[in-house]
This record gives sequence, C-alpha cells and structure tokens, in this order.
Amino acid sequence: EAQVTQNPRYLITVTGKKLTVTCSQNMNHEYMSWYRQDPGLGLRQIYYSMNVEVTDKGDVPEGYKVSRKEKRNFPLILESPSPNQTSLYFCASSTRQVTGYEQYFGPGTRLTVT
Amino acid sequence: AQTVTQSQPEMSVQEAETVTLSCTYDTSESDYYLFWYKQPPSRQMILVIRQEAYKQQNATENRFSVNFQKAAKSFSLKISDSQLGDAAMYFCAYRSALFREHDMRFGAGTRLTVKP
Repeated sequence: EAQVTQNPRYLITVTGKKLTVTCSQNMNHEYMSWYRQDPGLGLRQIYYSMNVEVTDKGDVPEGYKVSRKEKRNFPLILESPSPNQTSLYFCASSTRQVTGYEQYFGPGTRLTVT
Repeated sequence: AQTVTQSQPEMSVQEAETVTLSCTYDTSESDYYLFWYKQPPSRQMILVIRQEAYKQQNATENRFSVNFQKAAKSFSLKISDSQLGDAAMYFCAYRSALFREHDMRFGAGTRLTVKP
C-alpha cells in the first residue's frame, strides 16, 4: 500500500530535550516536505527536499533541522524544543512524474512541549 | 509569494442540503494547480478534488464540484447532498506547476458542520 508514515503519532516532551520525528514514504517520490498546522493558520511549510541531499527552508524553519540521506526518509529534528513548537506536524511527499502534483500526507504527529 | 485565503472560518449545512466553501488566491503565474483537502477528526489529510488551471472545465468528483474562476482567482467548493461524514475541516491549496520552492500554499481552513 502506497503511504507516508510518521512516528511517533503523539509526543509530549519538555523544553530543551532533543527529539526526532521520523517520516518515510514508499512511493519513490522525489519531493518531501514538513508542515506544521496551527489553528487559524492552516498548514505552513517548515522545510522541503527536492531530492536526496537537497533540502531548503520553507516559511517557518526556525528551530528545526532536516536531513535527506535516503530518498524514502525525511526526519524532522528539534534540537531544543520550545513551547511555541507545540503543534500538529505533517510530513508529505509528491512527484512531478505523475500529472496532478498533489501531496500525499502522513497521519500527523501531535507534539506538546511543556 | 502566492497566498490563499479562505474567508469563512466556519460553515454549517443541513444534512442533504448543498453548501459552498469559498477560496481565493493570489498569483502572478498562469500555470498552476488548485486543491481542496478534507481533514476529518482523525486529522488525516484527504484529497477531495483537484483543478488544473489550464482546464476551463470545472472539476467534479461525485457530490463535490468546484467553481473555478481564473480571472477572478476564485476556487470555491460545492458539496451537494451533504452527509454527516462530510463534517470536517476543509483546506484550499495552491501549487505552482513549476514545482519549485514554496510551491504549495494552504488557506487557513473552513470548519464544516453538518446538522442532522
């Protein structure tokens, strides 16, 4: 089954404790993104990757890091989480090889930083 | 940069009735894609319908249809014969056909309630 997986689905942590949210897709998509969703703001792009070893900042990259060492994986790293990073996070993938260009989303990760 | 605006934070509809969700966008590009995504309480993002800007014909998917007005930069979603399962947050999204940086923009969302 074609899918994007994220782990963990829920996470409660404390300020300053490094964490990683994993993302993996099995569709051989070249393009992957991370978004955060906050009430009244919709989804905002944090980082994106056009392909392996190619990443760039989105609209809200402060406090986040990413890496793309393999085509299928795109982890999101919070090296020193703060309460303002409490949010719902989505990983997404897509390809320009198929007409349509829609994003395929993971199930989301609810992060709470206390 | 492109922006997407959903001016209706909340909407409600009676079961079996029709409702229209509004979306406007701002772009200087001529080739792009527009999407409506549904987010039910499960939080999963589900693609509802897609419209290619170069197509004049409005997209339709069963009970869901769009009114795409390219000159007005408007992209509304019409849900006919509303069902309880249609209750969700709906996001309008824009993507450049150039498939480049920052190429997907989302509106703030419209929460749809369906009354039995």
